[in-house]
Amino acid sequence: NAGVTQTPKFRVLKTGQSMTLLCAQDMNHEYMYWYRQDPGMGLRLIHYSVGEGTTAKGEVPDGYNVSRLKKQNFLLGLESAAPSQTSVYFCASSRRQTGNYTEAFFGQGTRLTVV
Amino acid sequence: GESVGLHLPTLSVQEGDNSIINCAYSNSASDYFIWYKQESGKGPQFIIDIRSNMDKRQGQRVTVLLNKTVKHLSLQIAATQPGDSAVYFCAENRYSGGSNYKLTFGKGTLLTVNP
Repeated sequence: NAGVTQTPKFRVLKTGQSMTLLCAQDMNHEYMYWYRQDPGMGLRLIHYSVGEGTTAKGEVPDGYNVSRLKKQNFLLGLESAAPSQTSVYFCASSRRQTGNYTEAFFGQGTRLTVV
Repeated sequence: GESVGLHLPTLSVQEGDNSIINCAYSNSASDYFIWYKQESGKGPQFIIDIRSNMDKRQGQRVTVLLNKTVKHLSLQIAATQPGDSAVYFCAENRYSGGSNYKLTFGKGTLLTVNP
């Protein structure tokens, strides 16, 4: 049972380049999330998904797009990377939360540097 | 605005002492709170959670206290060990419309345990 797996673990991009971060979970979770973590800012929610084929904006969605074509995968895309997107990105998943109380499980993170 | 925050950004304790990490929240409608531990280079890991209908919950060496009157949450770690050194986040399970909830994190407290 791998839990939540993120690829790649590290990446350096030039300004204006595009890339996709992949998140995969094998726990059959309904909910998936993408967060970014910056020094002194904690974890901020970029986008999230409450089920296959659905996505929603979080706190800081600008400059990112997401897709949830399969229940187990949640992709985060940067169409035109900017230095302000240098950060550590975390994916998480959780069981359905409609009135139920459940924690989120996190991946190991992707360290992205945009130069 | 509504937020989940922490009183102290850093906490340094001696090995064997008890640690107390505090968290303030402002959304009185939030009904579920989680404490996460994040070690260097890793994703956040679940420690303990508490529902708003509880004042206290205990785990192995950890206790979470919830004071709804002043919207305050604390994590107590007994007999702190070097392996407890990490950043600790409180997270709030916040209602986001319909039947959906999303996890919102505070900025974190760095706990350093001195031998």
